[in-house]
Amino acid sequence: DAMVIQNPRYQVTQFGKPVTLSCSQTLNHNVMYWYQQKSSQAPKLLFHYYDKDFNNEADTPDNFQSRRPNTSFCFLDIRSPGLGDAAMYLCATSRDMGATDTQYFGPGTRLTVL
Amino acid sequence: LAKTTQPISMDSYEGQEVNITCSHNNIATNDYITWYQQFPSQGPRFIIQGYKTKVTNEVASLFIPADRKSSTLSLPRVSLSDTAVYYCLVGSGTDNFNKFYFGSGTKLNVKP
Repeated sequence: DAMVIQNPRYQVTQFGKPVTLSCSQTLNHNVMYWYQQKSSQAPKLLFHYYDKDFNNEADTPDNFQSRRPNTSFCFLDIRSPGLGDAAMYLCATSRDMGATDTQYFGPGTRLTVL
Repeated sequence: LAKTTQPISMDSYEGQEVNITCSHNNIATNDYITWYQQFPSQGPRFIIQGYKTKVTNEVASLFIPADRKSSTLSLPRVSLSDTAVYYCLVGSGTDNFNKFYFGSGTKLNVKP
């Protein structure tokens, strides 16, 4: 029944070693989002894809990239993880981007940087 | 960007009704108000959404006054499993390009 799937649930990487987090959806939604959530903080929007169109938030560091090869999959690439990038990374989808379009979140991937 | 303000935390006891108020003074005409619930180590989950007056579903009620500058999420007869962070969101953007920015949220602690 899982609608938004994130793999892995837990990821450990070393300082500066590139890492990729993945998200897939079975909802056939047009929009996919990536959020970063640090401990005891609210989720922070990094970027989103509307279909194939990429939209980066102004304050998202260049170290974070994303790819969406098809409707179902979206990847978050962190090129050179720093200790400050340790966080929960949440993927979400929505059918569209209207005011009433609900976002469906995955369970998240918790990233640890050693 | 319509900013939201909520209490940082609230305590309640099992069986009580809990009301969490969110203020959004500069809400735009086309904005809807949406509430999400987040348990530890899980993604947020949609609870309820409304535009004006009152909305009720199987989980909660949402009260929105006429000026729409605030809203109140009402959880009837809470249980221990309702302990979570509750986020009030107001959309930002045009009708067809709407993004949501999470505020600080309210951490609800339900005690036995």
